Amino acid sequence: NAGVTQTPKFRVLKTGQSMTLLCAQDMNHEYMYWYRQDPGMGLRLIHYSVGEGTTAKGEVPDGYNVSRLKKQNFLLGLESAAPSQTSVYFCASSYVSEVAFFGQGTRLTVV
Amino acid sequence: AQSVTQLGSHVSVSEGALVLLRCNYSSSVPPYLFWYVQYPNQGLQLLLKYTTGATLVKGINGFEAEFKKSETSFHLTKPSAHMSDAAEYFCAVSEKNNDMRFGAGTRLTVKP
Repeated sequence: NAGVTQTPKFRVLKTGQSMTLLCAQDMNHEYMYWYRQDPGMGLRLIHYSVGEGTTAKGEVPDGYNVSRLKKQNFLLGLESAAPSQTSVYFCASSYVSEVAFFGQGTRLTVV
Repeated sequence: AQSVTQLGSHVSVSEGALVLLRCNYSSSVPPYLFWYVQYPNQGLQLLLKYTTGATLVKGINGFEAEFKKSETSFHLTKPSAHMSDAAEYFCAVSEKNNDMRFGAGTRLTVKP
């Protein structure tokens, strides 16, 4: 049972480039989330989804887009990367508003 | 919106000493409360959670936390620290709508 898998684990982007982070879960969870983790700020919710085909904004959605075309996948897109988006990104999934299972994180550096 | 404040970004204890990590929350409805642990270069793992019922919640690795509504607190404790407990700990709150909010984290150091 793989749980929550994030791809890629590391990435370096130039300012203005675009990229997509992939999150896949094999637990049949309805709810999926994208967080960013920055030193001294904990985890902040970017976007989340309560089911296939649905998405919603979290605390810090600006500069990001998401899609949930399949129940098991939740994609996070950066259309035009900025240095302020340098962070560690975590995907998580859950049954309802209880336990969240986290991926191992993606370390993104924008130069 | 709900929020969490963790008091102390860094806590240092000696091996065998009591661990106390503080968390206060703000919520307009009865909250769901969580503690997570993060080891270096890893994702978060759930330690324990409070949803309803008994206010003293026991988790993995000997940790427990008590929900105190009057104090809006959910402090994490462990009677005797072990070297393997060194990690970063996050408190989180949810208002049943899946918008879970995390605190800034507390880094626990355990001295031999």
